[in-house]
Amino acid sequence: GAGVSQTPSNKVTEKGKYVELRCDPISGHTALYWYRQSLGQGPEFLIYFQGTGAADDSGLPNDRFFAVRPEGSVSTLKIQRTERGDSAVYLCASSTSRADTQYFGPGTRLTVL
Amino acid sequence: AQKITQTQPGMFVQEKEAVTLDCTYDTSDQSYGLFWYKQPSSGEMIFLIYQGSYDEQNATEGRYSLNFQKARKSANLVISASQLGDSAMYFCAMREVLFQGGSEKLVFGKGTKLTVNP
Repeated sequence: GAGVSQTPSNKVTEKGKYVELRCDPISGHTALYWYRQSLGQGPEFLIYFQGTGAADDSGLPNDRFFAVRPEGSVSTLKIQRTERGDSAVYLCASSTSRADTQYFGPGTRLTVL
Repeated sequence: AQKITQTQPGMFVQEKEAVTLDCTYDTSDQSYGLFWYKQPSSGEMIFLIYQGSYDEQNATEGRYSLNFQKARKSANLVISASQLGDSAMYFCAMREVLFQGGSEKLVFGKGTKLTVNP
């Protein structure tokens, strides 16, 4: 079956602009996670959704970052007033439940000039 | 706080030989899960193998096995009969099991870059 998909695969923007990153999880997966991977590092947790609600947003670095999952499927990560330090690969993962293995998408590489 | 340590920034192995990638972890929880993921140059994180803290036997998945030593808090990945396609970054990760609810986010190490030589 289809895996986790993320769009766009690459996004280049200018400092101060607004960006949206989209994640389409595996069909039927209720749990959805966003991670951020900086160069040379492992992924770092940003936010977790169970269904439509954000059950844990403790990893969001500041209030410029926000994510939604209005219908319990597709999720959008939104970044306002982007900064050069936001440049990274943003990974989305989904699982059938909170306790199950997380399966990752290919990521969106964000570059802030 | 949970922590994952991968002390080998890079490893080299000859094709068809076995290789061990090290991972140590730190947690005060009794119940947790350990994962290994492979990340090729394409960027996607590919799940390889899982070990639960209460599993008595080491996990195996094809050519991958996990050498789990709970007392030493280590969860090394063993790849047997290495193939050229195994060249990639490998990440060890831990999941805290929260019975009271909340997320079960993964905490990752910094990774090991494996190069398989022909």
